[in-house]
Formats: sequence, C-alpha cells, structure tokens
Amino acid sequence: AQTVTQSQPEMSVQEAETVTLSCTYDTSESDYYLFWYKQPPSRQMILVIRQEAYKQQNATENRFSVNFQKAAKSFSLKISDSQLGDAAMYFCAYRGLYNQGGKLIFGQGTELSVKP
Amino acid sequence: NAGVTQTPKFRILKIGQSMTLQCTQDMNHNYMYWYRQDPGMGLKLIYYSVGAGITDKGEVPNGYNVSRSTTEDFPLRLELAAPSQTSVYFCASDELGTRMNTEAFFGQGTRLTVV
Repeated sequence: AQTVTQSQPEMSVQEAETVTLSCTYDTSESDYYLFWYKQPPSRQMILVIRQEAYKQQNATENRFSVNFQKAAKSFSLKISDSQLGDAAMYFCAYRGLYNQGGKLIFGQGTELSVKP
Repeated sequence: NAGVTQTPKFRILKIGQSMTLQCTQDMNHNYMYWYRQDPGMGLKLIYYSVGAGITDKGEVPNGYNVSRSTTEDFPLRLELAAPSQTSVYFCASDELGTRMNTEAFFGQGTRLTVV
C-alpha cells in the first residue's frame, strides 16, 4: 500500500523569505501523480501545485515550486517570497493509477506559520 | 458556480444518535469522495463513488453508509454515533477520466463532535 510522510509537523518562515516543506512517499507504481494542498484556518482545501511522475521537469506555479526526486521518492514544496497569507496547513498527496477510484492519499500535514 | 457544498458546517451528536451529512456538487463530476480528518493526521478515505448508483468502501468505512442516487448528491450517513467518529468530514468531487492529474474540489468541511 502507498504511504505519504511529512516529517515536519510545524515550520516557520519570515515574511519575504523562502521555505521548503518536505514530503516522501512509498509506492511500487511507476506512474502516479503528486499534489500539494493548502488548508487555511477556514478549512477550505486549495490545490497549490501538481506533478506527474512521468515528467522530469519540476512543476512551478508563481511563487510555488516543487523538487521532485523520483528515485528518492521525494516531493518537496518550495515557497518563495513568503507572504502572511501563506500561513496554513499544507498537505502532500499521492494518487496512483490503480488506487480506489482515484483517491488521494494524504500525508499528516505541515503547519506553516509566517512571521511579519 | 457553487462547487461542492456540504451541510451542516458544525454538529454535536450524542452517543447512539444518527445523522446524515449532505454533499452536493454542481460541476457534473462523476467521482465523489468522503474523507475524515483527525487532529494531526491527514485525510483518510471513508467511501467513494465513481458515478450514480456506484459506491465503494475506502480505508475507514465502519460506522458509515453512503448512497449516490444522482450525479450531484453524495450523502454520508452515520448510524449509532460513537466518540471515535468525532472528526472533521470533507466531501470532494473530481472529474478524472483519462487524465489523472485533475484537481479534486473540496467542500468546506463538517466539524462533528460526538459526546
């Protein structure tokens, strides 16, 4: 069974600085999809960025980018020029091709705080 | 465009009571899911549906039931509520299909406390 691990329960960053959130996963599949979701205090789950495992190029969305290391099964999220609005819980998620109905498997989450 | 709507947002139940969490989506998505989120944990799949009339169990289905009579609605039924069901519940929908990198859209969650 696939698992997703986020080893940093909490992280803190100064406004305008850069922070990296870690995520590792375990799978025997060769093709899959990885996601980062943001959950602010409102509880709304918001997609931040996604990566297809067959693509070597790391995904980028404005200030958010990933470092995808397929051999190491690592999928970290880098937030540049951190803003107060980035403060939230961040979840790493995995979707395999043959998972139950395309379900997402989530890590435990990393609580990010941004200091002004 | 409302997206995924869950009701209620908060609820307190007594042990042994039953309730239904409502979920509706207006994006014509075939795939719908119910997850629960416990403190310090990620979301875990309770039940899912790949289309009207088709449902299946996820990782933690015990104590719950679902139905999918229409594409839009996917209610979650709690029978005989227990303290272990205290959690935040999320409904989600997704279009999936031939592409698997699609975005799952989530409702705003229901915080349920069983006392």
